[in-house]
Amino acid sequence: NAGVTQTPKFQVLKTGQSMTLQCAQDMNHNSMYWYRQDPGMGLRLIYYSASEGTTDKGEVPNGYNVSRLNKREFSLRLESAAPSQTSVYFCASNSGNYGYTFGSGTRLTVV
Amino acid sequence: GQQVMQIPQYQHVQEGEDFTTYCNSSTTLSNIQWYKQRPGGHPVFLIQLVKSGEVKKQKRLTFQFGEAKKNSSLHITATQTTDVGTYFCAAYSGGGADGLTFGKGTHLIIQP
Repeated sequence: NAGVTQTPKFQVLKTGQSMTLQCAQDMNHNSMYWYRQDPGMGLRLIYYSASEGTTDKGEVPNGYNVSRLNKREFSLRLESAAPSQTSVYFCASNSGNYGYTFGSGTRLTVV
Repeated sequence: GQQVMQIPQYQHVQEGEDFTTYCNSSTTLSNIQWYKQRPGGHPVFLIQLVKSGEVKKQKRLTFQFGEAKKNSSLHITATQTTDVGTYFCAAYSGGGADGLTFGKGTHLIIQP
């Protein structure tokens, strides 16, 4: 089982560029999440999707959009990247009120 | 939203010493989860505690949930170099699917 797959693993963007981070899970989980991780800040929730067809804002949604394309896929889009969005981005999924399975992360640098 | 405070931020130990990290909330938690993240890796789910006063063990790791369900701890006995990483506690901010709120983590550094 692949679990949660994120692409790309690394990305460098110029300020103002756009990009989409891809996430797919093969565990038939209903819920999917996007977090960002910054030094000293822990993991902060950007957006989540409790089920196919629904998305909701988390703690730090500004500057991001998401799409729950189907049950498997949940993408995160940066429309106009800013240096403050330099971070490590993790996608996660779970089923019910239990532990998350995380992807391996995307390390994004905005210059 | 739900806030969980985790201490200490960093802990240096000699290999073989014990280690404990603490997680505290100002509100009653429905449950609490613990994760481990190796350097350069992603968080990996360790355990979930649900009941008041619950204690669970995984080999050298002991997890406790306070009687008031406002605090939790993770204790590692006789640390090994494989225990290096950051340990996070996490709790739900809403009705389960709303997303976990993570503590800022405790970085465990082990000196051989």
